[in-house]
Amino acid sequence: GQNIDQPTEMTATEGAIVQINCTYQTSGFNGLFWYQQHAGEAPTFLSYNVLDGLEEKGRFSSFLSRSKGYSYLLLKELQMKDSASYLCAVRTPPPSTGANNLFFGTGTRLTVIP
Amino acid sequence: ETGVTQTPRHLVMGMTNKKSLKCEQHLGHNAMYWYKQSAKKPLELMFVYSLEERVENNSVPSRFSPECPNSSHLFLHLHTLQPEDSALYLCASSQDPQGSGNTQYFGPGTRLTVL
Repeated sequence: GQNIDQPTEMTATEGAIVQINCTYQTSGFNGLFWYQQHAGEAPTFLSYNVLDGLEEKGRFSSFLSRSKGYSYLLLKELQMKDSASYLCAVRTPPPSTGANNLFFGTGTRLTVIP
Repeated sequence: ETGVTQTPRHLVMGMTNKKSLKCEQHLGHNAMYWYKQSAKKPLELMFVYSLEERVENNSVPSRFSPECPNSSHLFLHLHTLQPEDSALYLCASSQDPQGSGNTQYFGPGTRLTVL
């Protein structure tokens, strides 16, 4: 089966840096995604990693180590609006002629406090 | 205007009702997806359509019936649901379901409550 683990909840202070970890064990690997989801809203795409290393996009960065089955999302200069759930998702290759599957973790609920 | 829209946003139905959820994408994508999001559980993929053909059906009960009349529209027909089917149903689209780098874009979801 597919297993994707991330912490359930985290709290951080406005202006600080927070790192949200994700570990995965999947049958195959075809990329890792991070999504942000505010309560009652759609998940929105944040980042995509398929090769090892760090991808930086403004205040957000995402890191991947395929050999360790590990990724993290780094949020810098935290703002109150960053309070949301952060979903880690791993894409696995299609079993035959089907589509790539995208498997999600349960999400990390981040609360930013003043 | 958001790229993926869903209607209705909220739906309450009895176990004997028949209802349909609608999804429309305005991104020119070729693939569309239905997901179920229950409290404290990961997003679960239900169905995948590529160019209006179903390419994935993850052991979803037959009381959920998808329909994809064209690459821009996706429906989920609901019939004799159970209370445990209450959840947020999310639609997503992507350029190509088999491309390794293709990002899925999500709609706002339909919050379904089955009484």
